[in-house]
Amino acid sequence: DVKVTQSSRYLVKRTGEKVFLECVQDMDHENMFWYRQDPGLGLRLIYFSYDVKMKEKGDIPEGYSVSREKKERFSLILESASTNQTSMYLCASSYPGTYQETQYFGPGTRLLVL
Amino acid sequence: DQQVKQNSPSLSVQEGRISILNCDYTNSMFDYFLWYKKYPAEGPTFLISISSIKDKNEDGRFTVFLNKSAKHLSLHIVPSQPGDSAVYFCAAKQDSNYQLIWGAGTKLIIKP
Repeated sequence: DVKVTQSSRYLVKRTGEKVFLECVQDMDHENMFWYRQDPGLGLRLIYFSYDVKMKEKGDIPEGYSVSREKKERFSLILESASTNQTSMYLCASSYPGTYQETQYFGPGTRLLVL
Repeated sequence: DQQVKQNSPSLSVQEGRISILNCDYTNSMFDYFLWYKKYPAEGPTFLISISSIKDKNEDGRFTVFLNKSAKHLSLHIVPSQPGDSAVYFCAAKQDSNYQLIWGAGTKLIIKP
């Protein structure tokens, strides 16, 4: 079974703090994704990585950066957390070239910025 | 501009009956459509998908129907069970693009 783990289930941070969210997958997937999920908006893509050290912006990259130094690990960084970044953050991975490239998700990190 | 729309935020169905979840899209270039299921405090899990060259795909109690002319797809669950209570997301993608485009989700509640 594919396993995607996220470093924290719940986080509370203060405005202006630097926040690191880590994601690890154990299936040697090339593709990794960071989404945020907000009520009524579905999942919105923040960043995508298709290989080590490679990244592409998604639909809402502002205020975020990412790091992928190893294939299995993809980190999301909030450089200076703001209250509008309070959300559920979901990491996913997939193997490119397969039929519909099913994405496998971690359990999510619920972040509250005060 | 939302390319994938799920217009019903919630749906309540009696146990044993059919649940029908709907999804509309605007981009005729989508090649695949997927349904994911999400329980509270868990990440979404893949449920079923359909290619744009088909109009139906079945997997046990779950069937997805695609009507390309109407740009509409639906997920049928028969019979509905209490464990089906979850949020269901519709998503779509083009073959040439890594990105999944997601609907807002529909919360399905199965009543005993």
